[in-house]
Amino acid sequence: QSVLTQPPSASGTPGQRVTISCSGSSFNIGTNTVNWYQQLPGTAPKLLIYSNNQRPSGVPDRFSGSKSGTSASLAISGLQSEDEADYYCATWDDSLNGPVFGGGTKLTVL
Amino acid sequence: EVQLVESGGGLVQPGGSLRLSCAASGFTFSRYWMHWVRQVPGKGLVWVSRIESDGSSTSYADSVKGRFTVSRDNAKNTLFLQMNTLRAEDTAVYYCARWVTGYWYFDVWGRGTLVTVSS
Repeated sequence: QSVLTQPPSASGTPGQRVTISCSGSSFNIGTNTVNWYQQLPGTAPKLLIYSNNQRPSGVPDRFSGSKSGTSASLAISGLQSEDEADYYCATWDDSLNGPVFGGGTKLTVL
Repeated sequence: EVQLVESGGGLVQPGGSLRLSCAASGFTFSRYWMHWVRQVPGKGLVWVSRIESDGSSTSYADSVKGRFTVSRDNAKNTLFLQMNTLRAEDTAVYYCARWVTGYWYFDVWGRGTLVTVSS
């Protein structure tokens, strides 16, 4: 069981807006910034969002992140077929003294 | 180009040992904390271990504490994970990842190496 809670699946049609939630506690999300990783099938994870809402160079602005209290969310607008992937939230946990991940959300583009 | 390349994975019997390596290139390896993260095929990401930039401090997930040892050779730009007393539940793809201190995220990942523990 993962420290951070994500829905196991999400879906949308091309062009739609989809959001993925991530719930934690005061020991992790409540105190530290949240990052999001995208894992395309058969590949390594890739940084998508860092520091709650910052995009690394090269990540389209269709991807956005937010955080409130002990929860965070990833929004993908203008959904495209190539967005079909697993998405993981992550942060630092002060009680475990290490990084923690959500269980991952498999996004399907219908 | 910034790159991390893992090696050393394979099939090992329960109770056996394996040493993973992660070769870094394209950046000043000695300036970064490094981590190992594993993923059971079809499952989520799980943090395994970290080592600070000069190797002076390490940390482990409870599930591997006492069995795994992380180390690094900054002169050779290489990260290691010595895995002893391996169990079936250690079967996973093992990724090395670069950590951005101060901002607390992984910004570069290797492609991973598969470790299979089975008789």
